[in-house]
Amino acid sequence: DTAVSQTPKYLVTQMGNDKSIKCEQNLGHDTMYWYKQDSKKFLKIMFSYNNKELIINETVPNRFSPKSPDKAHLNLHINSLELGDSAVYFCASSQGQYGNQPQHFGDGTRLSIL
Amino acid sequence: DQQVKQNSPSLSVQEGRISILNCDYTNSMFDYFLWYKKYPAEGPTFLISISSIKDKNEDGRFTVFLNKSAKHLSLHIVPSQPGDSAVYFCASHTGTASKLTFGTGTRLQVTL
Repeated sequence: DTAVSQTPKYLVTQMGNDKSIKCEQNLGHDTMYWYKQDSKKFLKIMFSYNNKELIINETVPNRFSPKSPDKAHLNLHINSLELGDSAVYFCASSQGQYGNQPQHFGDGTRLSIL
Repeated sequence: DQQVKQNSPSLSVQEGRISILNCDYTNSMFDYFLWYKKYPAEGPTFLISISSIKDKNEDGRFTVFLNKSAKHLSLHIVPSQPGDSAVYFCASHTGTASKLTFGTGTRLQVTL
C-alpha cells in the first residue's frame, strides 16, 4: 500500500521525444508537487497543485506540462526532451500547504536522455 | 543563489556516538525547517521539523536545534545506529505557498 507511487521508475529515451510520468497518492492529501533532482543532487521544486489548481510554477520551460485530473493524481508531460532533462523526478504530496504538514515523496523516476 | 546550505557533503560516525548534521540558511522568511532522510533509489522520508518560533524539537533519538540569529540549524542523532546511514537533507519552508527549498544533502555513514 504505497502512499505516493510514480510510474515508470526508469525511463530511457532519445532526444526530441515526448514522455509522461504518472503520480498517484492514496493519502487523501490535497496538495501535490513535482521536484527535479539534478546530477549535483540538488532537489528543486518545479510545480505544486492544490485541489487541482496550479499554485507554484518555478520558471520551468514550457516543454514541461503538469496535469492534475483529480486530487490524487499529478502527471508530468515533457515535450521535445533535451539532454539537460536527464534527472530524477520526484512526486510528493501533503495535506495543506503549511510547513507543519510534511511532504511525502514517491521513490522517483530516473529519466535518461540518449 | 543557494538559500539553504549543507556545507558538509559527508560525515562518518561510530555506532553509539552522536551524529551532528548542520544546515545554514539565508532567507529570514522561512517559517518551518524540516529534515528528510534518503536511502538510495528511494524518495526522501520526513524525519523531524521545527517551527521558526521554536529553538528545539525532539523526537526519540532525533533532536533539531534552531539558532535564528545565526540562521543555523542542526540535527542531532543519539545514539547513532547503522540503519541511520543515509543522505540527510535540510529543507526550509516558505509561507503559504508550501514551497520547500532543499540543501544539497549530507551523506551520513554510521560505522560499527
